[in-house]
Amino acid sequence: GAGVSQSPSNKVTEKGKDVELRCDPISGHTALYWYRQSLGQGLEFLIYFQGNSAPDKSGLPSDRFSAERTGGSVSTLTIQRTQQEDSAVYLCASRPQGQETQYFGPGTRLLVL
Amino acid sequence: SQQGEEDPQALSIQEGENATMNCSYKTSINNLQWYRQNSGRGLVHLILIRSNEREKHSGRLRVTLDTSKKSSSLLITASRAADTASYFCATDANQAGTALIFGKGTTLSVSS
Repeated sequence: GAGVSQSPSNKVTEKGKDVELRCDPISGHTALYWYRQSLGQGLEFLIYFQGNSAPDKSGLPSDRFSAERTGGSVSTLTIQRTQQEDSAVYLCASRPQGQETQYFGPGTRLLVL
Repeated sequence: SQQGEEDPQALSIQEGENATMNCSYKTSINNLQWYRQNSGRGLVHLILIRSNEREKHSGRLRVTLDTSKKSSSLLITASRAADTASYFCATDANQAGTALIFGKGTTLSVSS
């Protein structure tokens, strides 16, 4: 079946602009996660959704970052007034109820000039 | 904050050799997982070992877990060029279902 998809694959933006990153999880997966990976680094947790609610937003680095999930499916990560340090690969993962394995999308590579 | 720390950071071997990567973590866990990443994109789940397990096998992969030392190792036997990738351990910080905490990974290069 279809895996987790993310769009766009790549995004180049100018400093100060807003960007929206989209994640389509695997159908039926109740949990959804956003991570960020800077060059040569491990994954940094951003936010976790269970259904449409976000019980854990502790990883969001600043109030410029926000995310929502609607209909228990698609999620959008929004970064306002982007900064150069926001440049990274943003990865989305989903997880079915009762399992521990997370299934990752291919990521969105964001470059802020 | 990072939980797992992989060692070594980079590993270069010849095809057919075995590759061993180690991971240390800080807090109690329910389980530890290993993931693989090709070319800086999406991660692929390799294997999960629970806190009450000491060793687990999957094909050419062997994972061990020592909860007393808070460490795990991933062994890839008879490596192939296609095993070239970055490998990450991830833990759940003793809260099942919540975000995984990843280390910085080991970059494995297998040359033919």
